[in-house]
Amino acid sequence: NAGVMQNPRHLVRRRGQEARLRCSPMKGHSHVYWYRQLPEEGLKFMVYLQKENIIDESGMPKERFSAEFPKEGPSILRIQQVVRGDSAAYFCASSPQTQGSGGTEAFFGQGTRLTVV
Amino acid sequence: KQEVTQIPAALSVPEGENLVLNCSFTDSAIYNLQWFRQDPGKGLTSLLLIQSSQREQTSGRLNASLDKSSGRSTLYIAASQPGDSATYLCAVRKDKLIFGTGTRLQVFP
Repeated sequence: NAGVMQNPRHLVRRRGQEARLRCSPMKGHSHVYWYRQLPEEGLKFMVYLQKENIIDESGMPKERFSAEFPKEGPSILRIQQVVRGDSAAYFCASSPQTQGSGGTEAFFGQGTRLTVV
Repeated sequence: KQEVTQIPAALSVPEGENLVLNCSFTDSAIYNLQWFRQDPGKGLTSLLLIQSSQREQTSGRLNASLDKSSGRSTLYIAASQPGDSATYLCAVRKDKLIFGTGTRLQVFP
């Protein structure tokens, strides 16, 4: 059972271009979370998705950012018209479906390091 | 709004010392608490998961405790080694994980 897979590991984009970050959750996991880590800062929640549904996007910037988790295929975090301030490490985590109020363990990918030049 | 704080922010110790890292959170309505390790430029490795109904978990030289009512968790590292050098993050979970700012640990030989 492979872990959470993120690609690409490193991505360089010029200002104004689009960035697409992919996350394949662990097998059997139906919950995906995206986090952003700015240099020398902590991890900030962006969005929580289940298959074909956005559950919580309270951490997503209102403009230029979008996320999806289709029925088939990886979850995609899309950043349009990137700016230098978008340069960061973007991490994806997955977990199994929660049962009742029980919490399950979250597993993280290795991250995508986005550099905007 | 849930806020998670970790103390100390940084710690530098000689090899062999026993360490305590602290994590506090403001909202005790959590499902679980997870401790992670992050090496520079790398992803997060899950160390321990404590469910809200549990008081502690142990894995090797690591022991994590949880006092949900007071909003505190501690990570105890026994007999520290240079390979333990990393940033340690705690995160509390209800629907999503909320992270602390981390403790940067350096263990020197």
